[in-house]
Amino acid sequence: AQSVTQLGSHVSVSEGALVLLRCNYSSSVPPYLFWYVQYPNQGLQLLLKYTSAATLVKGINDFEAEFKKSETSFHLTKPSAHMSDAAEYFCAVSDQAGTALIFGKGTTLSVSS
Amino acid sequence: DVKVTQSSRYLVKRTGEKVFLECVQDMDHENMFWYRQDPGLGLRLIYFSYDVKMKEKGDIPEGYSVSREKKERFSLILESASTNQTSMYLCASRVRDGSNQPQHFGDGTRLSIL
Repeated sequence: AQSVTQLGSHVSVSEGALVLLRCNYSSSVPPYLFWYVQYPNQGLQLLLKYTSAATLVKGINDFEAEFKKSETSFHLTKPSAHMSDAAEYFCAVSDQAGTALIFGKGTTLSVSS
Repeated sequence: DVKVTQSSRYLVKRTGEKVFLECVQDMDHENMFWYRQDPGLGLRLIYFSYDVKMKEKGDIPEGYSVSREKKERFSLILESASTNQTSMYLCASRVRDGSNQPQHFGDGTRLSIL
């Protein structure tokens, strides 16, 4: 069965520092992978998705993620953190039937000045 | 842009009440979903629907039911609300044959059961 593990429930960085949010997946079929962001009191917004076209995926707000099959990872990065990046981030994988998404437990990103 | 609208942002109900959460999408999506979000647990799927009057149980359907009478509307029903159903509820929609397509989410309903 598909599953997602996000390493680190909280990540803190300084403004301007590199952001790295970790996601490992388990999938018995080639996966479709997604990163979502949730700002306070809002729903989830898509950051980027991997659908096998390219291993390095660029998303909105300068975020990107690299799909590494050998490591079963799909880590999210941003070269320079901004205060407005403070939010909760979720990694998700399509379930085997391709119907629903299976979400990780989320990582809260804090950005300090 | 896809718009998924949940009827209430905040809702307070009493134990034992029948509670309706409504969700409407404007992009003619076939698939609609209800999730529950709790701190430290991420999002968990309650029910989904792939067509009008069709529904499938998700991971945590106990205590919930759903209704989809029209394509654009998907309702979540708490038959007899209990305090352990206090949570954030998120609705989402997606095209039918689109496992590589993202789900689009509403802003959520924060439900408190007293």
